[in-house]
Amino acid sequence: GESVGLHLPTLSVQEGDNSIINCAYSNSASDYFIWYKQESGKGPQFIIDIRSNMDKRQGQRVTVLLNKTVKHLSLQIAATQPGDSAVYFCAENSDGGYQKVTFGIGTKLQVIP
Amino acid sequence: ETGVTQSPTHLIKTRGQQVTLRCSSQSGHNTVSWYQQALGQGPQFIFQYYREEENGRGNFPPRFSGLQFPNYSSELNVNALELDDSALYLCASSAPGAGDTQYFGPGTRLTVL
Repeated sequence: GESVGLHLPTLSVQEGDNSIINCAYSNSASDYFIWYKQESGKGPQFIIDIRSNMDKRQGQRVTVLLNKTVKHLSLQIAATQPGDSAVYFCAENSDGGYQKVTFGIGTKLQVIP
Repeated sequence: ETGVTQSPTHLIKTRGQQVTLRCSSQSGHNTVSWYQQALGQGPQFIFQYYREEENGRGNFPPRFSGLQFPNYSSELNVNALELDDSALYLCASSAPGAGDTQYFGPGTRLTVL
């Protein structure tokens, strides 16, 4: 079946450094990908998305890269700040007649002051 | 803040009881999805409602049911609660159309004793 997973469960980064969070997906028919940030006790917060006809998209301090050949997705956070500490999920949203978001297990980002 | 609200924030029930969770979608959003997030895991899709009808369902038993009202708010009902139903229940709303971003509420923490 389809699945979305992450390579690293925990990532520790020094404040000010860049962070890279990786994700692999298995459904080659997926056409839309999203990164969510979830802080403790809160619901997932949309960060950035990318459609399958793109390979890169930039937001404020964040960049998402999509490599469809190897079914790999990454989130880059520039100048990581303590407020970036959270669990990050990549998710797949496929058009199966309805919107179904499939999440991976998440990567915990710890920013070291 | 996404504009999606959920109630209650926390809830404690005993095994075998029934529970109703509520969600108000973001203004202009007519699609509501429900997710179950066990501790340390990614959210799992339960089902989605569009125009007051269920139009997609994940791998959850029939004792998980829902409703959507004309104002697009929604309820999740769980009958015959089991210990494994203890989780964070998330509601997400989105505008119509495949791939439209889902915006999550803060969740309801359900504990089944």
